[in-house]
This record gives sequence, C-alpha cells and structure tokens, in this order.
Amino acid sequence: DIQVTQSPSIVSASVGDKVTITCRASQTIPVRLAWYQQKPGKAPRLLIYKVSTLESGVPSRFSGSGSGTEFTLTINSLQPDDFATYYCQQYGSYSRTFGQGTKVEIK
Amino acid sequence: QVQLQQSGPGLLKPSETLSLACSVSGASITTAFYWHWIRQPPGETLQWLGSVYHSGTTYYDPSLKSRLTVSVDTYTNRFFLQLRSVTAADTAVYYCARAPVDKDLDYWSQGNLVIVSS
Repeated sequence: DIQVTQSPSIVSASVGDKVTITCRASQTIPVRLAWYQQKPGKAPRLLIYKVSTLESGVPSRFSGSGSGTEFTLTINSLQPDDFATYYCQQYGSYSRTFGQGTKVEIK
Repeated sequence: QVQLQQSGPGLLKPSETLSLACSVSGASITTAFYWHWIRQPPGETLQWLGSVYHSGTTYYDPSLKSRLTVSVDTYTNRFFLQLRSVTAADTAVYYCARAPVDKDLDYWSQGNLVIVSS
C-alpha cells in the first residue's frame, strides 16, 4: 500500500499569513493526489484533486503543487474560515490512503 | 443537489455485524461514479474502507477485506456496508461518499458515530 506522510502536524498562523503543508508518498503517485479540509464535527471537503486542480467553489487562495512523491498545499493570505484540519490523500490503484492531518490553528 | 444520507445503528456489541446504508439523491447510482465508505476513529485520521461501482465491482482495504462487504442496489439508489465481528477498534464516525472517475471524493454524507461497546 502507498503511505502518505504529512508535515507539520500543527501550524500556528495568523490571518493573512501564507501556510504551506507538505505531503510525502512512499512511492510515486501519478497525479492522483487530493487535499481535503475538515472542520470539527463535519465531513471533509474536497479542495484540490489531481495534485493542482481546484474543486468548484474553492477559493483561489488555495493551491496545490508537486510531483512524484512530494506534494504541497499552499494557502495564500489565510482567512478566518481556513482554520481547520487538512488531509492529503492518494487515490491510485482503486485504494486510498490519507495523511495524518495538519491542524491549522490561530496563533 | 447531490445528497448522501446514511442510516444504521449507533451502538453495537463486540462480535456483532455493523450494517450501514447510504441513500443517494440528486444523482443516479448507475452513472460513472464510485461509491465509497470511509471512517474516522475519534481524534484520528480518515481511513478508507472500500468502494463499489454500480456494476457490483468492489475494492477493499486489505486489512478489512476478510470482514467487509460493500454492495449496491441500483433499484433503490442505495449502497451498503457490512462489517462483521466488530470490536472496540471499529468505533468511529462512518461516512459514505461519491467519487467521479475524473476526480475524488466530492460529496460526503454527514457522518454517523458508531460505538462498539459491551
């Protein structure tokens, strides 16, 4: 199984900051990587799929990049609504694995 | 508007079978989507469990394959999860979700907490 490892596990940031979260895969993922946002008591929300494609309705301050085994989620100009936990996920070979999550908290 | 609505028990005893149903509205279960089950133990990350296509083709997490069955009913536009011989380690919020073939899990149910306790 392909494992994915996120870092950092917690980010303390302020409104207006730029936040970067990294996801590393145990083997090459051919573009099948997604990012989700989850708020307490809610289902995850798809933000980005195929490494860098923004889901409909997601603000443009979110962006994804990377290739091979290293991928990045960037949030430009953090907004109050962005404080949440973020997960990366690989979806190759008809199975899926999620990262451990990165909590973005208020500094 | 696509909606996924789960139903099933919230409390089970060890060794029982967990049965969940996911009703899909606003989309036909026979279109080009895969239908998934995911769970999240309290305070932990998400775990993908398995998926089904409308043809009945299924995929499972290898660690659960011996206890898990995912199925679909195209007539009622629902899909199902059965997890046998549950233990306390199966306590989690369970979600059903949809994945189009060209992206990933874009619609999710609200999630239901399932507790396994004697």
